[in-house]
Amino acid sequence: GIQVEQSPPDLILQEGANSTLRCNFSDSVNNLQWFHQNPWGQLINLFYIPSGTKQNGRLSATTVATERYSLLYISSSQTTDSGVYFCAVENNRYNNNDMRFGAGTRLTVKP
Amino acid sequence: GAGVSQSPSNKVTEKGKDVELRCDPISGHTALYWYRQRLGQGLEFLIYFQGNSAPDKSGLPSDRFSAERTGESVSTLTIQRTQQEDSAVYLCASSSQGGGKAFFGQGTRLTVV
Repeated sequence: GIQVEQSPPDLILQEGANSTLRCNFSDSVNNLQWFHQNPWGQLINLFYIPSGTKQNGRLSATTVATERYSLLYISSSQTTDSGVYFCAVENNRYNNNDMRFGAGTRLTVKP
Repeated sequence: GAGVSQSPSNKVTEKGKDVELRCDPISGHTALYWYRQRLGQGLEFLIYFQGNSAPDKSGLPSDRFSAERTGESVSTLTIQRTQQEDSAVYLCASSSQGGGKAFFGQGTRLTVV
C-alpha cells in the first residue's frame, strides 16, 4: 500500500517562531488532509488539500501532487499549537479510498 | 448529528470479555473509518465503509475484530475475547464521500485488565 512519511518526528519551538512540517507519499493520491491532535486527543481537520495552496489564519498548506509531497506552515506559533500533526492520504489504486496516516510530527511550543 | 459521536467514551473490560464500540457519523456522510491509536503512537487503519460497497477490512488485526454498518448510519466495532494488547483509543471518522474531508469523533478509550 501507499507509504506516508512525515518529518521531523519531533519539533520544539519558542512561541512566535515559524515552522514547516513535511509529508511525503509514495504514490499518486486522490486527496490529502492535515490534522491536528490536541493534547486531549481530539483530531481536528486543518486542511483538505489534494493539490495547490490554502491558508487559514496563521496556518497554510501546499501540496505538490506531481512531486508527492505536502508542506504545512505554521507562522507566529502559539502554545495552543502544541500537539501532533498528522498527514493522511487516500489512494484508490490499492483499496477503495481508505485514508492512511503518517506517523505524525509532535510539536511543542514553549512560552 | 452535528458531529461524529462515539460511545462509550471510556471502557474498562476484563481480559477475555467481548466489547462493542459505537460510532454515529455525521448525518448524510456515506464514508466511515475506524482507527486504533495506541498510547503515543499514530493512527492504525482498521476498516472503511463506503455507502453500500463491500467494506475494506484489510486493516483488521485478527479475526477477533469485526465491524458492521447499517446503511449509511451507525457502525459498531466488536472485539471478541479481548487481550491486554487491545488497550488503545479507538477512533471513528466520517466524510461525505470516499475521499472527502473527514471529521473525527472523540474516541473510545479501551482498557483491558
